[in-house]
Parts: sequence; C-alpha cells; structure tokens
Amino acid sequence: DTGVSQDPRHKITKRGQNVTFRCDPISEHNRLYWYRQTLGQGPEFLTYFQNEAQLEKSRLLSDRFSAERPKGSFSTLEIQRTEQGDSAMYLCASSLSGQPQHFGDGTRLSIL
Amino acid sequence: TQLLEQSPQFLSIQEGENLTVYCNSSSVFSSLQWYRQEPGEGPVLLVTVVTGGEVKKLKRLTFQFGDARKDSSLHITAAQPGDTGLYLCAGARGGSNYKLTFGKGTLLTVNP
Repeated sequence: DTGVSQDPRHKITKRGQNVTFRCDPISEHNRLYWYRQTLGQGPEFLTYFQNEAQLEKSRLLSDRFSAERPKGSFSTLEIQRTEQGDSAMYLCASSLSGQPQHFGDGTRLSIL
Repeated sequence: TQLLEQSPQFLSIQEGENLTVYCNSSSVFSSLQWYRQEPGEGPVLLVTVVTGGEVKKLKRLTFQFGDARKDSSLHITAAQPGDTGLYLCAGARGGSNYKLTFGKGTLLTVNP
C-alpha cells in the first residue's frame, strides 16, 4: 500500500499526558498537511509543510501543539499536557504542489 | 463562520433512487474537491473541479462547479448501498491552495 500511513490508529491517554502521532506521506509528495476532525464536523486545517519547512500554522494550533518534518519525509505531531478538548481524529494528508490532497486514515485520540 | 455550507446534512434513501447534495459558499474558490469518508477512515478523494461551469462524471456520480466558482453539487444516479458514507466538499482559495476549507458534510445512507 503506497498511501498515506498514520500511526497509531487509536490513542487513549489521561488528561495532562503528552502524545505523539506519526504520518508517513506518499513517497514523492513534497507537501504534508495536518487536520483535526471532531464529531459532526469536517476536517479543520492545522498546519502544512513544504518539504521540511513548516509554512503555515492555524490559530487552532495552540502552543501545546508542535509539528515537525525533519527530513522532508515523515512528520510528527506532538500534543503536550493534553486536555479533554483535544479529543478528535487527527488526519494527515500529502500532495504534490498544486495537486489534490490525499488523506491517511487518521489517529483517533481519546482523552480520559 | 462556516465558509462552506452543505445540504442536506442527513439523507436516507432507498436503493435505486437518485439524489443531489449541495455545497454553497459566498466565497470564490480556485478549486473544489469532493471526498467520501467512511466511519473510522480518512476522506477519499472523488473529484477536483477548477473551472466555473465544469461538469465531471465518475460512473453514477456527476459533479458540477458553479459558474461563479462559489458552489457545487453532487448528483448520484441509482444509488446503491455501497454509496453510503459522509460526502465532504472542500475548497481552496486563491493562492492558498494548500489549505482546504471543508463543509460539515452530508451523511448519506442508502438502504437496500
């Protein structure tokens, strides 16, 4: 399977803990995106990378959130000191410049 | 403010019926994508439309982009149970084609 891969698929953690998610994009795609989706809503843009450079961050991305794409390949999204409101599906997508985005199956985060 | 309004929010029909779902905005989009999402999975790209008035067909699915590039519709002919899912429209604006704005989606159920 050469699609976008996300790990883990599910994460359950206690409030206040740190969590990290990984996204492996389609191999030749230079752009990588993170979105968040809550129940009954469409995905909301969080941030995007072109190669290793993080070019835009949404106001939704508080200072507890950090994303990296160190070598322009895979990316990680870390949430520190998780809160109840962080419970959501975190989606990763990738694309070539100017081309449609292809999504992974997401990481579902549940905060106890 | 929801930039993309999708209607209806929920739709339950019998196999063999036709249906149309709508995606409307007061904003102009440079391109618009339609995705289908199933529970626990990421959105899967169906089509991209970029030209005002454009019509694209994908088997029993017909997509139209409004002349002013502010709205779009998806028409399904002779719906089948396999068409069940959440249909999401997503628009990209101007030079920010990296940042998709999604509607809340139309949840379609096709009953056998």
